[in-house]
Amino acid sequence: DAKTTQPTSMDCAEGRAANLPCNHSTISGNEYVYWYRQIHSQGPQYIIHGLKNNETNEMASLIITEDRKSSTLILPHATLRDTAVYYCIVRVLYNQGGKLIFGQGTELSVKP
Amino acid sequence: DAGITQSPRHKVTETGTPVTLRCHQTENHRYMYWYRQDPGHGLRLIHYSYGVKDTDKGEVSDGYSVSRSKTEDFLLTLESATSSQTSVYFCAIRGQINTEAFFGQGTRLTVV
Repeated sequence: DAKTTQPTSMDCAEGRAANLPCNHSTISGNEYVYWYRQIHSQGPQYIIHGLKNNETNEMASLIITEDRKSSTLILPHATLRDTAVYYCIVRVLYNQGGKLIFGQGTELSVKP
Repeated sequence: DAGITQSPRHKVTETGTPVTLRCHQTENHRYMYWYRQDPGHGLRLIHYSYGVKDTDKGEVSDGYSVSRSKTEDFLLTLESATSSQTSVYFCAIRGQINTEAFFGQGTRLTVV
């Protein structure tokens, strides 16, 4: 599975959009981009995933560049409860065992 | 929340003693995973299972063994606990290989 690069930390003002970037320049054609987040001391939580088209759900939007070498997770109206570590993961959808390999993630701090 | 329970939630044990952590699910999901999380390393995959009695190693499997004798339970055993195995352990489950993973609340293990 391809590796990802994310900023170590980011700040965002409450009520504003949080844009979290992820670089995955070695991504293969059959690898998906997944986002999970981990709120302090809890287990990680799935947010969204996509292959090449932009995706949106009730939690966030995922924007993938045309060359698929990078992506951005957008939380449209960040709240204090969105403060968490956000993990960008790329993996083959049908990889052996469906494993998720986590990187270091981005620590997002939403401030009042 | 997904029906996934980890036990115990907290444990302190002495070096050299055997320890077993249990992950129990009520979702009848096929895939189950054990991760550990340490400061500076993020989440690392220890072992995973893709069915009853079907298990495989992850990134950091040395010193750990697992068993899955029935769908709902995935056991992680430290045969002889060491201080380096002090960590927070997370279990995860997945129904289909291409669906999201759900994580438990974690077990904090301290080896003294």
